[in-house]
Amino acid sequence: DAGVIQSPRHEVTEMGQEVTLRCKPISGHNSLFWYRQTMMRGLELLIYFNNNVPIDDSGMPEDRFSAKMPNASFSTLKIQPSEPRDSAVYFCASSLGPALWETQYFGPGTRLLVL
Amino acid sequence: QQQVKQSPQSLIVQKGGISIINCAYENTAFDYFPWYQQFPGKGPALLIAIRPDVSEKKEGRFTISFNKSAKQFSLHIMDSQPGDSATYFCAASTRVQGAQKLVFGQGTRLTINP
Repeated sequence: DAGVIQSPRHEVTEMGQEVTLRCKPISGHNSLFWYRQTMMRGLELLIYFNNNVPIDDSGMPEDRFSAKMPNASFSTLKIQPSEPRDSAVYFCASSLGPALWETQYFGPGTRLLVL
Repeated sequence: QQQVKQSPQSLIVQKGGISIINCAYENTAFDYFPWYQQFPGKGPALLIAIRPDVSEKKEGRFTISFNKSAKQFSLHIMDSQPGDSATYFCAASTRVQGAQKLVFGQGTRLTINP
């Protein structure tokens, strides 16, 4: 399996622009997670989907952030409008199911820089 | 609110030595404790994990020690090798709205000197 696929790998944009990050989970995995990693705050869970349904979005920082999962093989994280403080590495992860001990497999991440 | 505290932030160990990273948690609802390893430019990858009904789990050179009463757990890397140089994250998982939710520590940058 190719693992979790994220695109783009790098994104540089200007403040105020819309940014869309994309994720393809591992085939057969039913749970999908979006994380943000920064030096200051470490790894933070933004939102979690199970069977394409958003379960917990309490980590989404502001209304500028939105996430969708239209089908089992694709998810997007959108930031509109983007701000410099959104600069971070965004990871998508997937797991077989919602059980506590199910391993979360992380993608390579998207490094976002907002100027 | 940081719910998992990890120390040290950075650690330098000589090749062949023992690397020890410690974590402490507050939420007694946490019920699964994985460790993730992250190399530069890569996503975190599961290294080893433990459930709170056991006090120790060993996989090769990696061992988790777990102290439920103290709400602490640690990662020991025996015979540390330069290839172990990476950032290590402890995490704790609980169930929120029927789903797994991982909370990560701040990470430890481990350097193994040859």
